[in-house]
Amino acid sequence: AAGVIQSPRHLIKEKRETATLKCYPIPRHDTVYWYQQGPGQDPQFLISFYEKMQSDKGSIPDRFSAQQFSDYHSELNMSSLELGDSALYFCASSLGMGGSGTGELFFGEGSRLTVL
Amino acid sequence: RKEVEQDPGPFNVPEGATVAFNCTYSNSASQSFFWYRQDCRKEPKLLMSVYSSGNEDGRFTAQLNRASQYISLLIRDSKLSDSATYLCVVNMRSNFGNEKLTFGTGTRLTIIP
Repeated sequence: AAGVIQSPRHLIKEKRETATLKCYPIPRHDTVYWYQQGPGQDPQFLISFYEKMQSDKGSIPDRFSAQQFSDYHSELNMSSLELGDSALYFCASSLGMGGSGTGELFFGEGSRLTVL
Repeated sequence: RKEVEQDPGPFNVPEGATVAFNCTYSNSASQSFFWYRQDCRKEPKLLMSVYSSGNEDGRFTAQLNRASQYISLLIRDSKLSDSATYLCVVNMRSNFGNEKLTFGTGTRLTIIP
């Protein structure tokens, strides 16, 4: 079965550079979530989209922006990168409003960003 | 104070033993609760939902105490493959009605042969 696809899997950038992460949700899933997980930390919610509109916002820095496109894939854009942005970035998807109430988000394998 | 708190461990437990984790949450309006499992450097995956009446799935038992705002996970007859980080997850619906999961810091479990 198709899962959530994230790209790139690994990314190395220098301070003050820009990075873009992509997420392709499970087919027919219309809600996408972005999480950031630092070393030894729990996943922190950044932002979510439902039907191409931002549905919720968490601890996403102003330097970051994201959007969901007409094909439901999402991109997370990170500018003026800082050392502290080094983390594993997970994208997750669910189907419909409330994910049918199951609370089950399907996570991608993550994109590991290293800022030097 | 974090919204969802867990004992980070690590819990080092001999194979076959029973181990229990607790988790507390601060927002009494939280609507649903889950345990996710995360293997090292892998993505989190849903282990089980937690219902007020308590629920069991094989060797795993989850319970919710809304009055005290805590969730528990019990693993019986632990296997080596149970070694992972267990994340307590609390769900609140956003204004748009979609899921907003808040993760605890996770409890690391290592099963020792």
